[in-house]
Amino acid sequence: DARVTQTPRHKVTEMGQEVTMRCQPILGHNTVFWYRQTMMQGLELLAYFRNRAPLDDSGMPKDRFSAEMPDATLATLKIQPSEPRDSAVYFCASGLDVAGGTNTGELFFGEGSRLTVL
Amino acid sequence: AQSVSQHNHHVILSEAASLELGCNYSYGGTVNLFWYVQYPGQHLQLLLKYFSGDPLVKGIKGFEAEFIKSKFSFNLRKPSVQWSDTAEYFCAVNPLDPSNYGQNFVFGPGTRLSVLP
Repeated sequence: DARVTQTPRHKVTEMGQEVTMRCQPILGHNTVFWYRQTMMQGLELLAYFRNRAPLDDSGMPKDRFSAEMPDATLATLKIQPSEPRDSAVYFCASGLDVAGGTNTGELFFGEGSRLTVL
Repeated sequence: AQSVSQHNHHVILSEAASLELGCNYSYGGTVNLFWYVQYPGQHLQLLLKYFSGDPLVKGIKGFEAEFIKSKFSFNLRKPSVQWSDTAEYFCAVNPLDPSNYGQNFVFGPGTRLSVLP
């Protein structure tokens, strides 16, 4: 059963520490999205990759957040240094771009990484 | 930038009541439309999707949605809700214009549904 896998599922850390979240997209998918979910802001798009290339990271605080896809099976989201306001659930989702430029398929979500920064 | 709005922040219903959750979007071009559900403590799962064809689409668990292009709406319905439908529901829009890479999969703010037993 194909699924998006995220690690860690839960992370508690102290302010100022580096946090790295990992995502394994579904094999064969060529788009990866990172979302942050909080009670106040709902679902916010942080970054979007297509064929490992970042296409949009305008929703991501550039001074402390970075997103990469070292290879087709791994996407990472890093926060350095972390702050209490970064506490949220971070979701990774993958999909298949079949129209040569737009993602027409559905997104499949991972179970999320719940981050708490003290 | 396009946006997706959902009419209600929190809806409370009794079991067997009918449900309609509103969703409107601002994008004027061709779009794909989705409803996702998030059960408490879980990830988002697809309920149904509209790509083309019959504007009335049926999804899992008895849900359906109707695409009304003239109203830019994609409302979710269920004739009789169950306690197990308690969850948060998200409408999502994916524009098919290749120039809108940055607008892929815009989600609405969500509607929390509480079904009382």
